[in-house]
Amino acid sequence: GQQVMQIPQYQHVQEGEDFTTYCNSSTTLSNIQWYKQRPGGHPVFLIQLVKSGEVKKQKRLTFQFGEAKKNSSLHITATQTTDVGTYFCAGNGFQKLVFGTGTRLLVSP
Amino acid sequence: DTGVSQDPRHKITKRGQNVTFRCDPISEHNRLYWYRQTLGQGPEFLTYFQNEAQLEKSRLLSDRFSAERPKGSFSTLEIQRTEQGDSAMYLCASSDGRAGRPNGYTFGSGTRLTVV
Repeated sequence: GQQVMQIPQYQHVQEGEDFTTYCNSSTTLSNIQWYKQRPGGHPVFLIQLVKSGEVKKQKRLTFQFGEAKKNSSLHITATQTTDVGTYFCAGNGFQKLVFGTGTRLLVSP
Repeated sequence: DTGVSQDPRHKITKRGQNVTFRCDPISEHNRLYWYRQTLGQGPEFLTYFQNEAQLEKSRLLSDRFSAERPKGSFSTLEIQRTEQGDSAMYLCASSDGRAGRPNGYTFGSGTRLTVV
């Protein structure tokens, strides 16, 4: 079945440093979504990318969908302590999302 | 509408007992999903409804699991003869499946099941 992997599994940065997580799917995706889950919380939708090569920005967050629609990335510029959490990509399998393994981000002040 | 509601928030049960969880989705959303999440892992798909029809069920789901969505509104997930391996966070999510609508999932806060 479809698999979605993310690297790194975990990253610890100092506040102000940049952060990037990478997402790779075993199959071509119709679209990809990104979610953030705070410690003890539930996943919260961030964004959806649909087009090949699409780049979208939300303040300090930049999301990119690969040309082959099998990979994606999330880049955070100048991390803040409020960015702490686990970031999941989710590939759109047939009528349902298949979630990646997640990247846990810790930010030290 | 305040979002997706799940009840109960926590459930501790003895091995072998049956448990039932409830999910109330966002009222305008016609799609409802159940996922299971264990510590350090991403949400794992269990089953999916469009309105009242259950359209897909994970092959990982044993016959002890059953879900319903009568009248296309709230949904229940029942686990019969619980096992310790069923201990997890059970997440419900809903989305608007209509064409042209944003289809990001809205998750509930989950039901944490502990089987002792």
